[in-house]
Amino acid sequence: AQKVTQAQTEISVVEKEDVTLDCVYETRDTTYYLFWYKQPPSGELVFLIRRNSFDEQNEISGRYSWNFQKSTSSFNFTITASQVVDSAVYFCALIVDSNYQLIWGAGTKLIIKP
Amino acid sequence: GAVVSQHPSRVICKSGTSVKIECRSLDFQATTMFWYRQFPKQSLMLMATSNEGSKATYEQGVEKDKFLINHASLTLSTLTVTSAHPEDSSFYICSAEPLGGGTDTQYFGPGTRLTVL
Repeated sequence: AQKVTQAQTEISVVEKEDVTLDCVYETRDTTYYLFWYKQPPSGELVFLIRRNSFDEQNEISGRYSWNFQKSTSSFNFTITASQVVDSAVYFCALIVDSNYQLIWGAGTKLIIKP
Repeated sequence: GAVVSQHPSRVICKSGTSVKIECRSLDFQATTMFWYRQFPKQSLMLMATSNEGSKATYEQGVEKDKFLINHASLTLSTLTVTSAHPEDSSFYICSAEPLGGGTDTQYFGPGTRLTVL
């Protein structure tokens, strides 16, 4: 069975601080894809990144970076120099090659205070 | 590209009425569309998967007679909440998998907020 765990229910930091959102996944499949989505108060899901299981390279996109480590089954997301506009709920998700369903984490609510 | 729309974005209805929510892929054809439900402060829960021209596959615990899904074309799927009750109030989100796009590619609609009085 597959599972995604986001242990941090809510994180609150002051603007300009760096913050890391944790994501731990479970699967026995060797081919899978990991995702991060942002859900602002409006509700619309914003796609942030997709990473396949064969690509362990870390990725940086502006203030966002992702650390994928198969050894610990983790796909953590870091926001550098956080801004108030980063406030949202962030979801980590998993799809395995043998099943079309997205497996969602519970989400982490990120609050950036001015 | 890869835009998915939902209509309406927000609906308020009386208990006992039926509500239809449309999900459209605007610039691509979708082999498969997914319907999710999200309660406040919770994650997305997959309700059903629909493939064009065939019956939808419902997840365990989701009443197929309550939540009617029709996927009449490669760009349109509809979810009808029949005889809605207050407990059906929720945020409904659809996603679409492009034709030939693979199971790892889903594009999400903006969601429909349903409030049943």
